[in-house]
Amino acid sequence: EDKVVQSPLSLVVHEGDTVTLNCSYEVTNFRSLLWYKQEKKAPTFLFMLTSSGIEKKSGRLSSILDKKELFSILNITATQTGDSAIYLCAVARNTDKLIFGTGTRLQVFP
Amino acid sequence: DGGITQSPKYLFRKEGQNVTLSCEQNLNHDAMYWYRQDPGQGLRLIYYSQIVNDFQKGDIAEGYSVSREKKESFPLTVTSAQKNPTAFYLCASKPGQGADYEQYFGPGTRLTVT
Repeated sequence: EDKVVQSPLSLVVHEGDTVTLNCSYEVTNFRSLLWYKQEKKAPTFLFMLTSSGIEKKSGRLSSILDKKELFSILNITATQTGDSAIYLCAVARNTDKLIFGTGTRLQVFP
Repeated sequence: DGGITQSPKYLFRKEGQNVTLSCEQNLNHDAMYWYRQDPGQGLRLIYYSQIVNDFQKGDIAEGYSVSREKKESFPLTVTSAQKNPTAFYLCASKPGQGADYEQYFGPGTRLTVT
């Protein structure tokens, strides 16, 4: 059965800390891996990763995919209170369907 | 402004009643999706549609129905057959078929059934 597992489930840090969120997957016909940020309502898109070893970066956020070991990490450096959210990892197969992990809830305190 | 709208934001219903959640997009996207999100769980796919007048069941379609009569609209009906309908419902859309595009999400509808 296809599955996507995120860890940790929950994380509490102070502003300025660096965090690493993990996403492992077992999915047939893998096509791409996506990261979303969900604050209160609509998840917003962060990254799409299709190739191993190529880091994608946006400001303080970066992500990389390892297709051999079947995982991805999302790094956030110098965290801010505005980074508090649920971070969702999803895998796209060679179909139009995404499989989501349970998410990691990040809380950043001043 | 281009985007996805869902209405209403909050919906309360009595058990045994059918309820329809609205999802509209003006992004000219071909594919549309309905997900359900429960506390501590990821998003689970209910139904999706890749083209007008066609839709497929997702992983948890039982107790739900959809229609896709127009490209911009994909309403979801939660029927009385759905055993645990209280949840947060998210609609999404994507341009074209194939997995090389991200899905864009609406703001969601929180349904409470008592």
